[in-house]
Amino acid sequence: AQKITQTQPGMFVQEKEAVTLDCTYDTSDPSYGLFWYKQPSSGEMIFLIYQGSYDQQNATEGRYSLNFQKARKSANLVISASQLGDSAMYFCAMRATKAAGNKLTFGGGTRVLVKP
Amino acid sequence: DGGITQSPKYLFRKEGQNVTLSCEQNLNHDAMYWYRQDPGQGLRLIYYSQIVNDFQKGDIAEGYSVSREKKESFPLTVTSAQKNPTAFYLCASSRSGASYEQYFGPGTRLTVT
Repeated sequence: AQKITQTQPGMFVQEKEAVTLDCTYDTSDPSYGLFWYKQPSSGEMIFLIYQGSYDQQNATEGRYSLNFQKARKSANLVISASQLGDSAMYFCAMRATKAAGNKLTFGGGTRVLVKP
Repeated sequence: DGGITQSPKYLFRKEGQNVTLSCEQNLNHDAMYWYRQDPGQGLRLIYYSQIVNDFQKGDIAEGYSVSREKKESFPLTVTSAQKNPTAFYLCASSRSGASYEQYFGPGTRLTVT
């Protein structure tokens, strides 16, 4: 079974500063993928970034980067130069390659509020 | 534009009534998913389908039913057997393969009184 843990229920960050959102995972499958999604107050889930378990480099997508530490089973999301529009819920998710139906397992989320 | 549509955005029903939530995608994705989200919580998988005419139960399937008669459509019925149906329901689709992200619809907020 897969498990995702996000220990920070909520965070404040000053506009233009960087923020790190923690995510730890547990799986016995050696092959898996890690995903981060953003959920604004409107409710839709927006895909941000993906990291494969065998990827040699940490993933980056614009202002988003993933700090992947495989031995520690952590996949923290770093948002650089925070903007007011970054205020949202952020979810870490994992998909084990052997998981039936390519199912995603989600963490409980972290709410980020960017202060002007 | 390709994407996933869910309708309606808000739905109100009386207790004891079945209700069907619509989900349509034009992304040509094989796999489709239904999730439930309660306030302040993460997403929990209700049902998923990897191919037309086939679907499997997720982690919280009791009180729900689905069908997959067309590749583009994956409707979810919330039956009267679901003890606590008030929630936000999200539909998603993806290409087959573990590295592909799931694309989500805008969601349906169901309130049962």
